[in-house]
Amino acid sequence: ETGVTQSPTHLIKTRGQQVTLRCSSQSGHNTVSWYQQALGQGPQFIFQYYREEENGRGNFPPRFSGLQFPNYSSELNVNALELDDSALYLCASSGTLANTGELFFGEGSRLTVL
Amino acid sequence: GQNIDQPTEMTATEGAIVQINCTYQTSGFNGLFWYQQHAGEAPTFLSYNVLDGLEEKGRFSSFLSRSKGYSYLLLKELQMKDSASYLCAVRLNTDKLIFGTGTRLQVFP
Repeated sequence: ETGVTQSPTHLIKTRGQQVTLRCSSQSGHNTVSWYQQALGQGPQFIFQYYREEENGRGNFPPRFSGLQFPNYSSELNVNALELDDSALYLCASSGTLANTGELFFGEGSRLTVL
Repeated sequence: GQNIDQPTEMTATEGAIVQINCTYQTSGFNGLFWYQQHAGEAPTFLSYNVLDGLEEKGRFSSFLSRSKGYSYLLLKELQMKDSASYLCAVRLNTDKLIFGTGTRLQVFP
């Protein structure tokens, strides 16, 4: 167990709705990354937060947004949900950017958009 | 653009050895990771290479050649529980990890 916890584990939404996913990072880790993993694919980088600031973003539209809080926990928000947003959303925490950068993943939040 | 290639599927027999290859073309390189992911679970860290050569960790070894943009993961003495997807990921200079699509390994008795 990595110590990274995500909630909810499963949820179902309809097109056009909004969703918020939450992540508590491993103790001592100040960097949180979010990934989207479609069925049968590798994780795709959404964005990364370091000390409450966005520190890099992948090729995702602005309706994907995030926050990191002073305790280093994080939220992923997705507005105007589309069917293709159905995926496993993985949160990963890591230590300072100076280390190897090994990511510790949570179990993920599986989102289904109908 | 970023490109990471690995075979989609592989099969092997219990007790055998299997090598999963990964080639990459990325704008920047700051290390290569291998992760294991069982169906419906989160990826778990297997190995990290930043310098050329072989890193051995028990039944698993990982090799890197930066000049060739190539890595492989070697699994020895295969067990049924090794049936999983194996993800190759490159860490860019920006500390972002780019993943390949994963290689689904099935181990048969």
